[in-house]
Amino acid sequence: ETGVTQTPRHLVMGMTNKKSLKCEQHLGHNAMYWYKQSAKKPLELMFVYSLEERVENNSVPSRFSPECPNSSHLFLHLHTLQPEDSALYLCASSQDRQVPGNTIYFGEGSWLTVV
Amino acid sequence: AQSVTQPDIHITVSEGASLELRCNYSYGATPYLFWYVQSPGQGLQLLLKYFSGDTLVQGIKGFEAEFKRSQSSFNLRKPSVHWSDAAEYFCAVVGVNFGNEKLTFGTGTRLTIIP
Repeated sequence: ETGVTQTPRHLVMGMTNKKSLKCEQHLGHNAMYWYKQSAKKPLELMFVYSLEERVENNSVPSRFSPECPNSSHLFLHLHTLQPEDSALYLCASSQDRQVPGNTIYFGEGSWLTVV
Repeated sequence: AQSVTQPDIHITVSEGASLELRCNYSYGATPYLFWYVQSPGQGLQLLLKYFSGDTLVQGIKGFEAEFKRSQSSFNLRKPSVHWSDAAEYFCAVVGVNFGNEKLTFGTGTRLTIIP
C-alpha cells in the first residue's frame, strides 16, 4: 500500500469508447503525475499537476485528457484511443513539484488494452 | 538533459547468490538518484535514494546502492537474493534544476531468480 490508489486496475476498451482512469492519493501531497509504461520503453511522463494546476504536458495526444479537481484526485479521460495506446498507466504523487529530489510514490497502475 | 542507462536488460541469478544491477547516469551536476522495483502486475516501489552525504545508501528489503561520481554510476546490490526479489528494477535520476524537475527512468533490468 503506497497511499496512491488507481482504478480500474484493468480496462479493455474499443477505439470509439470513452472511459476514464481514476487516481486518489492519501498522502497529503501537492503534486500528481500520469506516466505511461509500454513494453521495452522507459517510463514516459505524460502530465504533471501541482496544486491542481497542470504544469507540464509532454506532447501527449489530445485523445488523453487529464483532470485534477483537487489535490487528492487525478483523472485521465480517454477517447478514440488507438491500439498503440495499450499500456500500463501509472499515477504518482509527491509532496511538492518544485523541491528537488522529491520522492515520487506510485500507484499500482491501470492496465489498458485498446481493441 | 539527464539520462539513465541500465545496460543489462535481463539478469538471472540463483537464489542465495549475490546481485549487482548496473546503472549509469548522465548529468552535469550532482544528481538525485533512485532505485525502484516493480513486481509483476504492480506499480513501482521505492527501494532507496541518494541525495547527498554517504555514498553508500541502504534501502528496503536488504538492498543497497553506491554512488560513484567518478564512474557516473549508482549500482544496486544485494548480498543474497530471495525468490521474492524477482521483479523489474528501474534506476532513475532527477536533475537539480529548480522549476523544471524531471524524474528520468532507465529502461529497466528484469531479474529472474532460479532455485
